[in-house]
Amino acid sequence: SQQGEEDPQALSIQEGENATMNCSYKTSINNLQWYRQNSGRGLVHLILIRSNEREKHSGRLRVTLDTSKKSSSLLITASRAADTASYFCATPPGYSSASKIIFGSGTRLSIRP
Amino acid sequence: DAGVIQSPRHEVTEMGQEVTLRCKPISGHNSLFWYRQTMMRGLELLIYFNNNVPIDDSGMPEDRFSAKMPNASFSTLKIQPSEPRDSAVYFCASSLRGNQPQHFGDGTRLSIL
Repeated sequence: SQQGEEDPQALSIQEGENATMNCSYKTSINNLQWYRQNSGRGLVHLILIRSNEREKHSGRLRVTLDTSKKSSSLLITASRAADTASYFCATPPGYSSASKIIFGSGTRLSIRP
Repeated sequence: DAGVIQSPRHEVTEMGQEVTLRCKPISGHNSLFWYRQTMMRGLELLIYFNNNVPIDDSGMPEDRFSAKMPNASFSTLKIQPSEPRDSAVYFCASSLRGNQPQHFGDGTRLSIL
């Protein structure tokens, strides 16, 4: 079963609007990661938030983490056409530094010009 | 800096043939991962290595699949014999440690006729 699940599965917004994607996970974690995948390419790491952090920013990206609700959100502000991609959250189950990370099924984001 | 390098980028072959996918991780990374991505099943972890040792191969679908990492700079994923249902995009990724951000190659698009 998936460790992380993104919501919504697909999102279409107008260029310039903000896009919010959510991720829920099942087990305790020591970090949560967000990735982007452009069509025909590999995934690209965007941001990592540790379990003792509540919010993190990187450029137009803002990530929040609520460990009590086992959920995270990714906000992209002032969206651009180039933000069109699939976005995945990923969590390592458990606390071992040797563990793998498990990806959710992704949110497909489309930015309309 | 060179990222994760996968070859070939595309492979089309007939069922029953042996297929070998290759991956060169980022120098200094200790963990290497093989994934398969399809529309139906999303991104699936097949196997991962820490320090060239296979740690978890529970995602390898069948005995037809095998993976090796003879040294820190090279890994192969082999399918023998190949079947049409093996058609997918196969990604290799590497990271400093198992639960840290992963760097993905651009994948091998495999089509089994």
